[in-house]
Amino acid sequence: DAMVIQNPRYQVTQFGKPVTLSCSQTLNHNVMYWYQQKSSQAPKLLFHYYDKDFNNEADTPDNFQSRRPNTSFCFLDIRSPGLGDAAMYLCATSSGRTSGPDTQYFGPGTRLTVL
Amino acid sequence: LAKTTQPISMDSYEGQEVNITCSHNNIATNDYITWYQQFPSQGPRFIIQGYKTKVTNEVASLFIPADRKSSTLSLPRVSLSDTAVYYCLVIFSGTYKYIFGTGTRLKVLA
Repeated sequence: DAMVIQNPRYQVTQFGKPVTLSCSQTLNHNVMYWYQQKSSQAPKLLFHYYDKDFNNEADTPDNFQSRRPNTSFCFLDIRSPGLGDAAMYLCATSSGRTSGPDTQYFGPGTRLTVL
Repeated sequence: LAKTTQPISMDSYEGQEVNITCSHNNIATNDYITWYQQFPSQGPRFIIQGYKTKVTNEVASLFIPADRKSSTLSLPRVSLSDTAVYYCLVIFSGTYKYIFGTGTRLKVLA
């Protein structure tokens, strides 16, 4: 089945130690998104890629970076994780259609713990 | 950009129909309304999507009045497994921006 895959599902890192989260998709979608979701809160969009074009949300901290080496993969890099970065990180994709609804499909998420 | 307003929580009993209403007062002409379901420690799951009037699929119905300033997700005959958080989103055409509302926490009781 076509899907959005996130690895690992659970990640533990130390304060200040760089960490990378991975997302892959078999939907061949043009757009890939990263969200941060803290406990009992709604997902918050960090950035998205349309193909190779990177689009950062204005309030996304510089500590968060992303890479998309090809259509299928997208990575979230947290350069120096702080305790406040502990959250669920969600990857999503959409086709990028410009007429009609551009539905997003989400992966299962990676829960990040910062010690 | 349209923001959504939903009730924070709702309780229901098994077998009942549940209606969750979302307000999106400044929705634009080409924007679509989408609903997602999220269980703890999982990603949001697409439920249904619509533009106007009524849309029905195998799990839910979506009612959108003519002015499109609100929408109602209808879940027929809920079960305990429908206990989850439900999010209403407005898809802003051509911007790839998805602003989640606060969500509605539905608890289904036996």
